[in-house]
Amino acid sequence: DVKVTQSSRYLVKRTGEKVFLECVQDMDHENMFWYRQDPGLGLRLIYFSYDVKMKEKGDIPEGYSVSREKKERFSLILESASTNQTSMYLCASRDAGTGGQPQHFGDGTRLSIL
Amino acid sequence: TQLLEQSPQFLSIQEGENLTVYCNSSSVFSSLQWYRQEPGEGPVLLVTVVTGGEVKKLKRLTFQFGDARKDSSLHITAAQPGDTGLYLCAGARGSTLGRLYFGRGTQLTVWP
Repeated sequence: DVKVTQSSRYLVKRTGEKVFLECVQDMDHENMFWYRQDPGLGLRLIYFSYDVKMKEKGDIPEGYSVSREKKERFSLILESASTNQTSMYLCASRDAGTGGQPQHFGDGTRLSIL
Repeated sequence: TQLLEQSPQFLSIQEGENLTVYCNSSSVFSSLQWYRQEPGEGPVLLVTVVTGGEVKKLKRLTFQFGDARKDSSLHITAAQPGDTGLYLCAGARGSTLGRLYFGRGTQLTVWP
């Protein structure tokens, strides 16, 4: 069974802080993704990675960066947190290929920026 | 701009009713996936459709991929309270990087 683990379920931080969200997968998947989920807006892709040290911008990368030093771990960094980054953050992983492989999601981190 | 338009956004029905959720686009997808998400959890894959015109059934759920691979539908027969959740469609465009384009979701509530 694929397991994607996000380090925190709930996190409260202050404006201007540097925030790290961690995600670990145990299935040796090449592809990993960070999304934010807001009511009525669905899942919006922030960044994704297709290999160690490789990253691609998604649709809303502004204010975020990522790090993938090891295959199993993909970190999302909020360089200077702002209140409009309060959201649910979801990490996912997927095996490489074009055959419609599913994305496997963690249970999310609900981040509040005060 | 949303690549996949999903409708309706909200659906509130009584147990035993039928319903259909639609996912439409002007773009062609190599495959289309449907996920369900329950409160406090991440989305979980229900089905993947890859061939135009394909129909897949999962118990009371029927999924269809349009002939032109631009749209999909999810039909639930005799809905039950356990079907309550957020349903998300997501399309892939054939890249090995695995990026999906998600619709905004349909929040389904089934009342006993």
